[in-house]
Amino acid sequence: KQEVTQIPAALSVPEGENLVLNCSFTDSAIYNLQWFRQDPGKGLTSLLLIQSSQREQTSGRLNASLDKSSGRSTLYIAASQPGDSATYLCAVPPANQAGTALIFGKGTTLSVSS
Amino acid sequence: EAQVTQNPRYLITVTGKKLTVTCSQNMNHEYMSWYRQDPGLGLRQIYYSMNVEVTDKGDVPEGYKVSRKEKRNFPLILESPSPNQTSLYFCASSVSKFYEQYFGPGTRLTVT
Repeated sequence: KQEVTQIPAALSVPEGENLVLNCSFTDSAIYNLQWFRQDPGKGLTSLLLIQSSQREQTSGRLNASLDKSSGRSTLYIAASQPGDSATYLCAVPPANQAGTALIFGKGTTLSVSS
Repeated sequence: EAQVTQNPRYLITVTGKKLTVTCSQNMNHEYMSWYRQDPGLGLRQIYYSMNVEVTDKGDVPEGYKVSRKEKRNFPLILESPSPNQTSLYFCASSVSKFYEQYFGPGTRLTVT
């Protein structure tokens, strides 16, 4: 059964620093990988979706990469800002669990100090 | 505006009192699903629906029911809520399970 792990669970950085969030998954048979942002007590905002055939996707200061063979994805945040403080979740739709949409990691909680 | 809406956003109820959380999407999506989010356990899928009248269990379906009579609506029903169903609930929709999932704002449920 697909398992998704995110390390570290929490990260604190000063404003302006570039940072990398990690996501690993056990079953490489995935169709895509999605990164979300969640603010405390709020809903999930989709940040980036990488299809299995892609190596990376970029949106503004965010860049997500995908290495299916090693079961890893990274989310790179450039020039971090206090407004980036949130929990970041990665999720994959498992290829071999009929109907189940997304298996989530438990997230990395990012705190950016000014 | 394309969106997934949920109602109510906050609900406090007592054990055993039936309740329904509504979910509606305006994107003509075929796939809809419900998740619950709990500290330390993350997000887990409760039920999903691949189209009208087609529903199936996710990872944690016990104590929940769903129905999909119309494409846009996918209500979550708790026939006899218990305190262990206190959680943050999210509805999501998509073209299919293999496409980008769009999430609603969440419903915070407390069962006392």
